[in-house]
Amino acid sequence: QQQVKQSPQSLIVQKGGISIINCAYENTAFDYFPWYQQFPGKGPALLIAIRPDVSEKKEGRFTISFNKSAKQFSLHIMDSQPGDSATYFCAAMRYNFNKFYFGSGTKLNVKP
Amino acid sequence: DAGVTQSPTHLIKTRGQQVTLRCSPKSGHDTVSWYQQALGQGPQFIFQYYEEEERQRGNFPDRFSGHQFPNYSSELNVNALLLGDSALYLCASRWGQNTEAFFGQGTRLTVV
Repeated sequence: QQQVKQSPQSLIVQKGGISIINCAYENTAFDYFPWYQQFPGKGPALLIAIRPDVSEKKEGRFTISFNKSAKQFSLHIMDSQPGDSATYFCAAMRYNFNKFYFGSGTKLNVKP
Repeated sequence: DAGVTQSPTHLIKTRGQQVTLRCSPKSGHDTVSWYQQALGQGPQFIFQYYEEEERQRGNFPDRFSGHQFPNYSSELNVNALLLGDSALYLCASRWGQNTEAFFGQGTRLTVV
């Protein structure tokens, strides 16, 4: 059973546009939800993370929106830039277990 | 700070052989986790080491084993390699229960 489902699989956005990636999770015990950015040939790098006691977290151009009742969370990238072109993974974890469940990834292509 | 370093970066092995991958955690980090990332997929948790013991294990067969040394570095061993073991193997380190995990660049294993 896939614990975290991510969509879309790929996304093409014009420079300056908004990129939106969605994730849904199954286990209500999850209490930490990070987003990772991965460039080809590199390991994932933490972008932004949220806990379920807040509904939104913003860091620069990146915002996580969290809907606890729907068991969904999303990443918004404002003013998308060609340098944002990468694969993005959502993940979920239960704090004391320190084991990430990753989504299947979204390949973002920002057109100049 | 060198971050999480993994070696080797690329490896080609023949089906049935054994392989050892190595990971040095970020300075100050004492917990190491290993993930397998198949092409086009999100990372899958293999196991986690803390205080030189395997603390958690994902849904991987016993052919996958590991070790953590007193300096917190870690090894991942895979025996009787199968073609399906071809993947990017990622090491992630953290300090204690701190949720922020830092990933290495990974080892690309190809089994032929």
